[in-house]
Amino acid sequence: AQTVTQSQPEMSVQEAETVTLSCTYDTSESDYYLFWYKQPPSRQMILVIRQEAYKQQNATENRFSVNFQKAAKSFSLKISDSQLGDAAMYFCAYTNAGNMLTFGGGTRLMVKP
Amino acid sequence: NAGVTQTPKFRILKIGQSMTLQCAQDMNHNYMYWYRQDPGMGLKLIYYSVGAGITDKGEVPNGYNVSRSTTEDFPLRLELAAPSQTSVYFCASSTHYTGELFFGEGSRLTVL
Repeated sequence: AQTVTQSQPEMSVQEAETVTLSCTYDTSESDYYLFWYKQPPSRQMILVIRQEAYKQQNATENRFSVNFQKAAKSFSLKISDSQLGDAAMYFCAYTNAGNMLTFGGGTRLMVKP
Repeated sequence: NAGVTQTPKFRILKIGQSMTLQCAQDMNHNYMYWYRQDPGMGLKLIYYSVGAGITDKGEVPNGYNVSRSTTEDFPLRLELAAPSQTSVYFCASSTHYTGELFFGEGSRLTVL
């Protein structure tokens, strides 16, 4: 079974600053997909960003970007210019052919005004 | 756009009771999923479906059953509820397993 590990249960960032959330995964596959999902207090899960393993270029979505290190099996999320609305649980997730989406344990991000 | 709709949002069950969590999506997605989220934890896959009439077990299927008679609906049945099934349940759908999952708002179930 695939495993996804988020080693930071909680992180804190000052408003307007930058924060990086860590994620590592275990796989023997070469073709797979990685995701970051956000879960605000409302509980609704929202896709933040998606990365295809065959693409070397790191995905970006506005203030959100990833650092994808395939050899190290690392997939960190960088949030720039943090806003109060970024406060949420963030989940890293992995999927490949034959395996549905597997989630990490989550990182709670707090944003200080 | 309704997206993914789950009912009920909250439910309290007694040990041994049964119930069905309803899930419907209006995006014509082939893939549908049921996850559970225990407090402070990530989501674990219970069951999934890749199309009408096709379902398969996920990581934690024991104590649950599903059916997929239509593209739109994917109900989750809890038989003989146990305290270990106290959790928040999320239904989700996608066009493909490699794509974005669209989630419902979740159903909080408490078994006492």
